[in-house]
Amino acid sequence: DTAVSQTPKYLVTQMGNDKSIKCEQNLGHDTMYWYKQDSKKFLKIMFSYNNKELIINETVPNRFSPKSPDKAHLNLHINSLELGDSAVYFCASSKKAGAEAFFGQGTRLTVV
Amino acid sequence: GDSVTQMEGPVTLSEEAFLTINCTYTATGYPSLFWYVQYPGEGLQLLLKATKADDKGSNKGFEATYRKETTSFHLEKGSVQVSDSAVYFCALRNSNSGYALNFGKGTSLLVTP
Repeated sequence: DTAVSQTPKYLVTQMGNDKSIKCEQNLGHDTMYWYKQDSKKFLKIMFSYNNKELIINETVPNRFSPKSPDKAHLNLHINSLELGDSAVYFCASSKKAGAEAFFGQGTRLTVV
Repeated sequence: GDSVTQMEGPVTLSEEAFLTINCTYTATGYPSLFWYVQYPGEGLQLLLKATKADDKGSNKGFEATYRKETTSFHLEKGSVQVSDSAVYFCALRNSNSGYALNFGKGTSLLVTP
């Protein structure tokens, strides 16, 4: 009965590969987010969707593409992975934009 | 643009010591302010929040007061426990950034017995 769940929890892959991280929330929330946490623990917003519509698209490489098949899911697809993409990626959701955000447990991506 | 500045860590305290983690912000308008906590190997949890000036957020013995005059939201706890060891993030949320959370760099706290 996890509120915001991400899969996989750990992902190790080689440079140049394409990978996806999935996120699902069972809270009935309208808004979902992806944040990136770097090796120094710094957290930064990447994307936000509200009712399947993109509302925030921060300056991230266009190798990163979010996909929201429905408002309970926001998946993150990454093409041509680079060493610098190694980080922990957190998904979050909120009832609406501006409401309290609930975070998933994170996906630790390691690119070798 | 908006930004959050937190004191550098790591902070190491003995059990039952008093904790202060400083947080200041720069923002236009009237942001909401938050403290999130990240325990080892886990995601972020909301610890407390304040949505307007002079509001005090509190939870689990932690407190922070939204001070607009000093643009601060310092986190305090009177007596820390070993179980409080974690990374603490100050964050703000503003309508002009699509309501995404804008985080400080985090402060690692280690409480020793």
